[in-house]
Amino acid sequence: GAVVSQHPSWVICKSGTSVKIECRSLDFQATTMFWYRQFPKQSLMLMATSNEGSKATYEQGVEKDKFLINHASLTLSTLTVTSAHPEDSSFYICSARGVRGRTQETQYFGPGTRLLVL
Amino acid sequence: RKEVEQDPGPFNVPEGATVAFNCTYSNSASQSFFWYRQDCRKEPKLLMSVYSSGNEDGRFTAQLNRASQYISLLIRDSKLSDSATYLCVVNRDYGQNFVFGPGTRLSVLP
Repeated sequence: GAVVSQHPSWVICKSGTSVKIECRSLDFQATTMFWYRQFPKQSLMLMATSNEGSKATYEQGVEKDKFLINHASLTLSTLTVTSAHPEDSSFYICSARGVRGRTQETQYFGPGTRLLVL
Repeated sequence: RKEVEQDPGPFNVPEGATVAFNCTYSNSASQSFFWYRQDCRKEPKLLMSVYSSGNEDGRFTAQLNRASQYISLLIRDSKLSDSATYLCVVNRDYGQNFVFGPGTRLSVLP
């Protein structure tokens, strides 16, 4: 139980294009989803917290107009990197927290999306 | 000072060794604590939660000292498959706002 999927698993795009990443909780409902970014040899850094049906809360230094988050249902959140640039190349990981039971106690991570912007 | 700090590592140990990782956190209001492991180029996976009374799961033992704001993870009888980066994770309030430590890399050598 508590499986989270992400799609795509990797993407290569040209500078200036937008990239959408999907995060789904497959076997539980997630009121809250989190988006992280991890650069090589660094730890995960929280970008934003997304609650179903409301606006995301962004961490300091993360541009909300560049990283658009939509959490329209209890099982799906999307992150769109708009006008991506090479410095946005990173490993993007989502996590989800459930509404009841064991899934409420911690966060369950998706497999991550590797983004390379040329 | 970082909110969560860990031993810098890396730790290179032979198979069968016992290894201990330390973690300290600065926010005394932190509510819950976890150890995650992250394999190279993969997502973090929950290893175990850390309870106030200490807890054990097979070869892994986690301890929490709230007064000292210190968490530890002990791995006994290390296996090659234990090689990974171990992340100390502190939860500021239940379910929200995980703060990850920088991680400690472990390499178990044959």
